[in-house]
Amino acid sequence: AQSVTQPDIHITVSEGASLELRCNYSYGATPYLFWYVQSPGQGLQLLLKYFSGDTLVQGIKGFEAEFKRSQSSFNLRKPSVHWSDAAEYFCAVGVHPGGGGSQGNLIFGKGTKLSVKP
Amino acid sequence: KAGVTQTPRYLIKTRGQQVTLSCSPISGHRSVSWYQQTPGQGLQFLFEYFSETQRNKGNFPGRFSGRQFSNSRSEMNVSTLELGDSALYLCASSLAGGGQETQYFGPGTRLLVL
Repeated sequence: AQSVTQPDIHITVSEGASLELRCNYSYGATPYLFWYVQSPGQGLQLLLKYFSGDTLVQGIKGFEAEFKRSQSSFNLRKPSVHWSDAAEYFCAVGVHPGGGGSQGNLIFGKGTKLSVKP
Repeated sequence: KAGVTQTPRYLIKTRGQQVTLSCSPISGHRSVSWYQQTPGQGLQFLFEYFSETQRNKGNFPGRFSGRQFSNSRSEMNVSTLELGDSALYLCASSLAGGGQETQYFGPGTRLLVL
């Protein structure tokens, strides 16, 4: 079955420290991969996406993610976290055309909530 | 270009009532998807509309329905509300749908059922 796993429900990091949020997926073909961020009470904002090509992708707000096919992973990283990065982060797999079905076109992980200590 | 808008932003209803939520996609986008977000279940797909036709449907009871108009605006309706329907309902739009496209999300409608 197609699925996305974010193993960490909640992570706390100190401001200025580096950050890595984990994402593993299960999908039968080369996936389209996304990271979204959600601030409290808000919708989801796209941070970055991977479709093909260079496996290291850059996004907004200084975030980057690396696609590792051998590990079925797409981890999100940031070298220095700011207090404004506190939010919930969602990894998602985009299914190929025609494969949406009851899961829709985007399969989301459960999210990782990031807290930032001053 | 204006983003995805959803109205109303907040709603309080009582059990047994029905509710209609509205979503206006980004101009030019023809695909609209709806999601329900709850703390326990996370983001769950409700349905997707494209060119006024429902293209995909999630595993929700028939009390949840939707439609799309010729201008791509979409509405979803929940009849006979239950306490468990309390959630943030998110709408997302994309040009033509499909997992290879970026979906742009609205701010959501927060529904509280008492």
